[in-house]
This record gives sequence, C-alpha cells and structure tokens, in this order.
Amino acid sequence: QSVLTQPPSASGAPGQTVTISCSGGGPKIGRNPVNWYQHLPGTAPKLLIYNNDQRPSGVPDRFSGSKSGTSASLAISGLHSGDEADYYCAKWDDSLNGWLFGGGTTLTVL
Amino acid sequence: EVQLVESGGGLVQPGGSLRLSCAASGFTFDTYWMTWVRQAPGKGLEWVANLSQGGGEKYYVDSVKGRFTVFRDNAKNVMYLQMNNLTAEDTAVYYCARDEAEYSSSSGYYYFLDVWGKGTTVTVSS
Repeated sequence: QSVLTQPPSASGAPGQTVTISCSGGGPKIGRNPVNWYQHLPGTAPKLLIYNNDQRPSGVPDRFSGSKSGTSASLAISGLHSGDEADYYCAKWDDSLNGWLFGGGTTLTVL
Repeated sequence: EVQLVESGGGLVQPGGSLRLSCAASGFTFDTYWMTWVRQAPGKGLEWVANLSQGGGEKYYVDSVKGRFTVFRDNAKNVMYLQMNNLTAEDTAVYYCARDEAEYSSSSGYYYFLDVWGKGTTVTVSS
C-alpha cells in the first residue's frame, strides 16, 4: 500500500514561516493532486489546501501549498498560536479507490 | 449552512456491533460521494470507506472489509456505517466527510473532502 510521509512535528516562532513536507504515495504520486487539512483533536478537520495549491474561500493566504514531482509542501507564514494543530496531507489513491492520508504533523508555535 | 453531524458512537464489547449515522443538511446530498474517516487514539487520520451518490459503488480499507458496511438513505439525507465484529483496533473517533469534485482543463478532475463533521467516538472494550 502506498504511504504518504510527513515529519511528525514542526515548530516555529510567532511571525515566522514553517514548511511541512509530504512525500511518497506510490508510483502514481504525480498523477493525483494533494490536499491539506488542519485538525484540532475533538473538532472537525478543516480543508486548508486542495488541488496542490488552491485555497478554499475563508482560508487566509498565510497558508499556501505546492507540489513538485513526488513531494508536496504546506507553508504557513506569519505564525501565531492559533495555528497550533495537526496538519495532514492527503491524496486520492487509484488502487484503493479511497483516500490516502499522511501520518500528520503536529505544529507547535514556540 | 452546510453541515454534517455524526451520531451512534458509544462503548461496545469486542465482537459487538454498532451503527453510525451521518446526517447531512444544507446541500443536495444525493449528488455527492461521501466518506468515513477515523482517528484512533494517538494516531492520525485513516480513510475507512466511501460511497457513491446512489450507493451502488462502495470501497473500504482492507482492515474493515467484510465487517463494515457503508450505505445511505438519500430520502433522509443520511449515510450510515454498520460495524460488526468490532475489535479494540476499531476504537476511534469516526468522522464523515463530503467528497467534492472539480474540473480544470489543465489537470482534469480533482477531488477533496471539503465538509467534515465533528465526529462520534467508538470505544471497543470489555
């Protein structure tokens, strides 16, 4: 089964920019776009980025996504304490006919 | 307001059964694929199952095949997850989500989970 790999943790000081990577997903990683979700345990996960780099309405432009080859990245600029959460990348997997999630990255604002 | 509300979670013994519900409102339910995702304690998000608009296509993660069944009642705007022969490994918060699809001339169709519920907790323990 394909695996999406994320660093387990990331951190940054208020105002700084942090980048979270997402790599893997099998031989067809390049075919399907990557989406990113923000999740505070006990709440509904929130869509942050879809189709590699598109932001839903209401998501601040401090959040940006990119994809190159077999890797994708989520960048968060102007960090503040409200950004502390778990962040997940995900992509549609044609072999599963379902969703493949990365292991999640816990963001800490120092 | 577009909303998904899960219910039906609880404490169940190993080998037992539980049926989860996902009530949808604020959108045309029968035009969307729907998905169940779970999060076990201390773990990340895991896709469980998904279901086509009419309920004719459904897919499952390997670990629940033969034990879980996903289905929907479009007249009631509700999706269900029937869970049988539960084990401790099924202990998790279960979320339902809406599958959205868009099209662009450059990349074709692409998909994402754009609306999520707050989840319902399933605990399997004796």
